[in-house]
Amino acid sequence: DQQVKQNSPSLSVQEGRISILNCDYTNSMFDYFLWYKKYPAEGPTFLISISSIKDKNEDGRFTVFLNKSAKHLSLHIVPSQPGDSAVYFCAARGTYKYIFGTGTRLKVLA
Amino acid sequence: NAGVTQTPKFQVLKTGQSMTLQCAQDMNHNSMYWYRQDPGMGLRLIYYSASEGTTDKGEVPNGYNVSRLNKREFSLRLESAAPSQTSVYFCASSRMDRGLGSPLHFGNGTRLTVT
Repeated sequence: DQQVKQNSPSLSVQEGRISILNCDYTNSMFDYFLWYKKYPAEGPTFLISISSIKDKNEDGRFTVFLNKSAKHLSLHIVPSQPGDSAVYFCAARGTYKYIFGTGTRLKVLA
Repeated sequence: NAGVTQTPKFQVLKTGQSMTLQCAQDMNHNSMYWYRQDPGMGLRLIYYSASEGTTDKGEVPNGYNVSRLNKREFSLRLESAAPSQTSVYFCASSRMDRGLGSPLHFGNGTRLTVT
């Protein structure tokens, strides 16, 4: 049973526009949510996170929104750049465990 | 800074062979993790170690064993490799400070092929 879901396998966006990546989760006990970026042949790298007691966190071009009632998480990238093209994973933390979604491949078109 | 180091980077095994994937971190993190990445399946947790001296099963532990050798090192062993274990394996570590939140830091992976 997939506790963390990313329902869009891929997304294409024009350079300069907003990219919105979505993630849903089922376990209300998750207390910390994260987004990772992954390039081919490399390990995932941490982008941004949010605690379950907040609903928004910003870091430069990246903003994460958390809607606990809907059990929904989103990552906004503004403006999108060609270097943002990668696979993005959302993750949620339970007791010591980090559970990941299946990933969304973002392609930013120049 | 090395961060999380995994060895080997690539490995080819025949069905039934055994091997150990090594992982070491130099960030003084308490918790360590093993994940596998397969197409369309994302990153799935195999085993984790919340602190030195403890290990627990993740989502897909069957066919694997782990050893938390010390605070720095966490190894993953395949006793009898099967083609279904062909995957990319990632080790990760975390400070696991629950009050502040603590992201996972990943190594660059081991690409394993079982024929």
